[in-house]
Amino acid sequence: QKEVEQDPGPLSVPEGAIVSLNCTYSNSAFQYFMWYRQYSRKGPELLMYTYSSGNKEDGRFTAQVDKSSKYISLFIRDSQPSDSATYLCAMSRTSGSRLTFGEGTQLTVNP
Amino acid sequence: NAGVTQTPKFRVLKTGQSMTLLCAQDMNHEYMYWYRQDPGMGLRLIHYSVGEGTTAKGEVPDGYNVSRLKKQNFLLGLESAAPSQTSVYFCASSPGLAGGQGHYNEQFFGPGTRLTVL
Repeated sequence: QKEVEQDPGPLSVPEGAIVSLNCTYSNSAFQYFMWYRQYSRKGPELLMYTYSSGNKEDGRFTAQVDKSSKYISLFIRDSQPSDSATYLCAMSRTSGSRLTFGEGTQLTVNP
Repeated sequence: NAGVTQTPKFRVLKTGQSMTLLCAQDMNHEYMYWYRQDPGMGLRLIHYSVGEGTTAKGEVPDGYNVSRLKKQNFLLGLESAAPSQTSVYFCASSPGLAGGQGHYNEQFFGPGTRLTVL
């Protein structure tokens, strides 16, 4: 069983929709939770990170962590065609320790 | 700043051939990493380095070797390529441990190398 589970999709939504992306994990030692965005044939880039539980908002993006349920989410409001990419969740035990990635969810936002 | 660069961008090898992938970063980062990305598997850590002259095994190290002779460079070697090593390889770097609890050691990724082993 994988330590981090993520539905690979693909997920297709109309422009302006609210998108919800999710990951579950099994290792309760994880404290740092990240979302990376990867455009086609490019390297991943950090979108947001959260330390421990709670919510974090950055513009149209909101990251949520529920450590009691071992569940993290990324919400995208007013989605745009430029949001079309693969979104990878990642997590680690400490700031300097190795990242464990989810498989990634492929998102397409249609104009 | 170029950030993290990888050479080459594409390569096709025959089974048994060897090659070296080069990663360079100009951000003076302490940590560097090599990942492979495969469909259905996500990104998996091959080897990493926490400083010049140091290397350590990651999740899937078999069949690969690495060297970090200079702080800015991290080389990934395949001594005898196998079809199972067909993948997209990403290098990343990060500043290293700094700050207190809650500070995040962000990893910056290169553009990737697409390797096919026939």
